[in-house]
Amino acid sequence: SQQGEEDPQALSIQEGENATMNCSYKTSINNLQWYRQNSGRGLVHLILIRSNEREKHSGRLRVTLDTSKKSSSLLITASRAADTASYFCATAVYGNKLVFGAGTILRVKS
Amino acid sequence: DVKVTQSSRYLVKRTGEKVFLECVQDMDHENMFWYRQDPGLGLRLIYFSYDVKMKEKGDIPEGYSVSREKKERFSLILESASTNQTSMYLCATGEKLLVSGNTIYFGEGSWLTVV
Repeated sequence: SQQGEEDPQALSIQEGENATMNCSYKTSINNLQWYRQNSGRGLVHLILIRSNEREKHSGRLRVTLDTSKKSSSLLITASRAADTASYFCATAVYGNKLVFGAGTILRVKS
Repeated sequence: DVKVTQSSRYLVKRTGEKVFLECVQDMDHENMFWYRQDPGLGLRLIYFSYDVKMKEKGDIPEGYSVSREKKERFSLILESASTNQTSMYLCATGEKLLVSGNTIYFGEGSWLTVV
């Protein structure tokens, strides 16, 4: 069973708009990570937020974490065509296992 | 930069064949993982290894086995390939204790088609 579930499954926006993706998870976590995957390639780590953090920024990325609701969101501001990719949240369970959600497919139209 | 190399990018195998997918990392990471990715299902963990000769089953180990004889190399084995194993396979590596905030690094993936 999957720990994280992303919402929406797919998102299509115009260049310059903001994109928001959400992730819900089931069990208590120490941290939550977001990864990006370009079509047909491996995943690349974007950002990590710890359970004692509520918000974190990295460039145009903003991640929030609400442990009471067991949810996180990834905001990409001023999106670009190059942001077109799939985005996954992941949580570490049982020490050394990283469990991924099904992902959100983002398409940014130029 | 971390480099995770998967030996084959695209493979086509026949039903019943034995298939080896190799993964090599150059970062001396303790953990290595094999995931399978299918549309709509995201990434599902097949097996992982936290040390040489050590392995643990992931969520979908049936039909697969693994081998880790050296720290840098982690092999995924399909003993008798079946069409429902057609998928993209992703290898990843990471340092110990993911719960403490370490990330994992992925290879480029291996597209396997079983006919």
